[in-house]
Amino acid sequence: GNSVTQMEGPVTLSEEAFLTINCTYTATGYPSLFWYVQYPGEGLQLLLKATKADDKGSNKGFEATYRKETTSFHLEKGSVQVSDSAVYFCALVPSGGYQKVTFGIGTKLQVIP
Amino acid sequence: GAVVSQHPSRVICKSGTSVKIECRSLDFQATTMFWYRQFPKQSLMLMATSNEGSKATYEQGVEKDKFLINHASLTLSTLTVTSAHPEDSSFYICSAQDGMGGETQYFGPGTRLLVL
Repeated sequence: GNSVTQMEGPVTLSEEAFLTINCTYTATGYPSLFWYVQYPGEGLQLLLKATKADDKGSNKGFEATYRKETTSFHLEKGSVQVSDSAVYFCALVPSGGYQKVTFGIGTKLQVIP
Repeated sequence: GAVVSQHPSRVICKSGTSVKIECRSLDFQATTMFWYRQFPKQSLMLMATSNEGSKATYEQGVEKDKFLINHASLTLSTLTVTSAHPEDSSFYICSAQDGMGGETQYFGPGTRLLVL
């Protein structure tokens, strides 16, 4: 079946540090890949997505590139801010219409001033 | 962008009562909606897939008679927790896919349920 493996947190960084959260997946075919962010006490917000190999999703300074050869979709940001503190979920949806989302376990990021 | 709302955002109820949670897609039609449950510091657990005009599809281990799902229109799905017990206390989140078959799911802000 499909699966998403995400690095366990928490990840604690100082403000302006470089962020990488690793995500790898297992799926047949060509799934779409997503990063969602969840702020404390809130639902999930779509951060970025990529729907085919070598696509790069980007939003709010975050980036992730769909790497088919390594089955990875690592999230990166060059300079994190305190306001980026949240839980980040990597997810995939198999290709072909309405399909269930498979989530990673979530990585908590804490940015300290 | 696509917006999904949930109501209520927070509810406290007595054990044995039923609670209804609404999930609405505000600016798009959602043939399919999903209901998740999230325990503290954990990922989302899919409970059921709600299809407009037909019965919901429940995940293994989810009691369909306890968690009633109705998807009466293309913009509204409801989850009713019947005869709630303290162990049903959780964060419930819905999501919706637009009717054009896109892969992206848009999530509601969640409903925090506390059963006393």
